Amino acid sequence: ELKVEQNPLFLSMQEGKNYTIYCNYSTTSDRLYWYRQDPGKSLESLFVLLSNGAVKQEGRLMASLDTKARLSTLHITAAVHDLSATYFCAVDMSGGTSYGKLTFGQGTILTVHP
Amino acid sequence: DADVTQTPRNRITKTGKRIMLECSQTKGHDRMYWYRQDPGLGLRLIYYSFDVKDINKGEISDGYSVSRQAQAKFSLSLESAIPNQTALYFCATSGPTAPNTGELFFGEGSRLTVL
Repeated sequence: ELKVEQNPLFLSMQEGKNYTIYCNYSTTSDRLYWYRQDPGKSLESLFVLLSNGAVKQEGRLMASLDTKARLSTLHITAAVHDLSATYFCAVDMSGGTSYGKLTFGQGTILTVHP
Repeated sequence: DADVTQTPRNRITKTGKRIMLECSQTKGHDRMYWYRQDPGLGLRLIYYSFDVKDINKGEISDGYSVSRQAQAKFSLSLESAIPNQTALYFCATSGPTAPNTGELFFGEGSRLTVL
């Protein structure tokens, strides 16, 4: 059974600081996704990581994937209030034409304060 | 207009009632999914469908059923709702377009409360 664990589950950050959210998963996979969810809203796709060593950046967020360590990180640089949200990682171990069945982590609730 | 539309957005019902949550999409995707979100548990897959004739159980299908009426429509039913089915339900789609990234596109969510 695939397990996906995020750390930390709650993160309170000061504006301007840097921090990293970790996503560990239990079985082999080469596809990992990061989503953002604002309170009461839907999930918005942030990053799609499709191979070992993949790194993607968008604004103050950078995501990476190490399939050998079964680890993905979401790094936040110089946090701003607008980044306050819940962040989910999700792993796909379906393989082949079955891609799309994702197992999600618990979510990390990020709060950025002045 | 949203590409993935869920109705109703909010519903309060009583134990034992039958409930249907509907999902329609204009993205032209073949693949549709129903997920359930509970605080602290992330999202869990209930059912998924890769085309109109293909229906599959997910991680937590007990107590739920689905119907794929058309490529664009995928409904989730609770035949006899119980309080622990109180949750936020999401419909999602993904497409087979190459490269198939498996990325999911989510609806706005349906908040269900079972009293």
